[in-house]
Amino acid sequence: DAGVTQSPTHLIKTRGQHVTLRCSPISGHKSVSWYQQVLGQGPQFIFQYYEKEERGRGNFPDRFSARQFPNYSSELNVNALLLGDSALYLCASSFPGRNTEAFFGQGTRLTVV
Amino acid sequence: AQTVTQSQPEMSVQEAETVTLSCTYDTSESDYYLFWYKQPPSRQMILVIRQEAYKQQNATENRFSVNFQKAAKSFSLKISDSQLGDAAMYFCAYRRYNAGNMLTFGGGTRLMVKP
Repeated sequence: DAGVTQSPTHLIKTRGQHVTLRCSPISGHKSVSWYQQVLGQGPQFIFQYYEKEERGRGNFPDRFSARQFPNYSSELNVNALLLGDSALYLCASSFPGRNTEAFFGQGTRLTVV
Repeated sequence: AQTVTQSQPEMSVQEAETVTLSCTYDTSESDYYLFWYKQPPSRQMILVIRQEAYKQQNATENRFSVNFQKAAKSFSLKISDSQLGDAAMYFCAYRRYNAGNMLTFGGGTRLMVKP
C-alpha cells in the first residue's frame, strides 16, 4: 500500500513568489494535516482538514492557505514568500476518530532565495 | 496553549546499551495522547510509541518503553539494546483527546549511537 505521498520533494523559489505543495493521503484516510519544520526545530502545526473543511489552524499568517479535494488529497499554498518560509513541509494523514495515528509523508523541502 | 519541551538537544549511547530521552509538557487537559516520533535522515516521521493519558500502565513496544508521570507532566523514552539504526532525531509530541492529527511537537533530541 502506498503511504502518504508529497510533491515535489524539493523546490527553490524566489522571495515574493507563490508556491503550491501537494499531498496524497493513504487510501481511506480522510483527515490531512500540514506542518512546517524549520531546520533544527520540531514541526509546527499549520492546518488540519477533514472532509474538505478546515478543522484547525496554527499560528501562521494569512499568506498560508490550504484546501482539500473530494478525493481527500490536499494542497498547501504560500503567497509572497519570505526567506523565513524556507523549511521542510510535512503532510500527515489519518483516519477520523479519537484513537487514531498520524502517518507522515517524506516532506517537501522548500528553499526561498 | 500546550507546550512540549525536550531539554536534551543531543544524546549519545554505545551500541547495545540503554539510553533515556526526556520530555516534559504543559497542559490543562486531563485526557490526551503522548507520542514519540523518530525522524531519520530520510525525513519521514515514524511513530515509535504512544501513550494514552488515562492509562496508568506505561506503554512498551519491543526495545522501546516510556515512563509516563502524569502528575509531573513527564514522558521519557527508554531505548534498550541500542542499535545503529536507532540513530535519528527523536520528537516528543502531544495531542488533545479529540484533536484529529493536530500535534504539538517538542524541539527534538538528536540520538547518536556509537559502534
